[in-house]
Amino acid sequence: NAGVTQTPKFQVLKTGQSMTLQCAQDMNHEYMSWYRQDPGMGLRLIHYSVGAGITDQGEVPNGYNVSRSTTEDFPLRLLSAAPSQTSVYFCASSYRRPGITYNSPLHFGNGTRLTVT
Amino acid sequence: AQKITQTQPGMFVQEKEAVTLDCTYDTSDPSYGLFWYKQPSSGEMIFLIYQGSYDQQNATEGRYSLNFQKARKSANLVISASQLGDSAMYFCAMREPPNSNSGYALNFGKGTSLLVTP
Repeated sequence: NAGVTQTPKFQVLKTGQSMTLQCAQDMNHEYMSWYRQDPGMGLRLIHYSVGAGITDQGEVPNGYNVSRSTTEDFPLRLLSAAPSQTSVYFCASSYRRPGITYNSPLHFGNGTRLTVT
Repeated sequence: AQKITQTQPGMFVQEKEAVTLDCTYDTSDPSYGLFWYKQPSSGEMIFLIYQGSYDQQNATEGRYSLNFQKARKSANLVISASQLGDSAMYFCAMREPPNSNSGYALNFGKGTSLLVTP
């Protein structure tokens, strides 16, 4: 059981380059989300999705795009990388069906460490 | 405004001792859930324990227990009989009822770094 799989594990970009961080889950979770983790800041929500075809912005969405064409996949796109986007990115998913949503923990991928020079 | 506050940036504890990691939260909604996660130096996020706002008893999972004081809006994590492998970053998080701004997101505190010494 793979859980949440993120690729790549590490990435170095130059300012202005674009890239896509991949995220896939095999637990049939309706809810998927992207967080970024910066030192001393905890985890901050970038974008989230409550089901295929539905996405919305979180706390820090600027500079990022997402799409959700299938239940399994939730890629995060950096349109034009900036040094301020140097961070560790986590994809996370959980159930959202009524009755088992509220206490459903987020399952995290292992993270992508991104450096923008 | 910060919804989750973890006031201890770093903590030390001796092996086999118990340690309490503090977490206070801010919400006006009567329905919410509180979570603790562990992040070892390898970087992965590991779910430890959950407490619901209507739960009558404090949650326990093995050596982890949650000291839930609803009136004080605190949800402290207690680790009993600390082990060297408990050295990690610990995050407290809260889930409130979904709204258009957060979906089913968890709001995380900034974390507490725990070091267990021999």
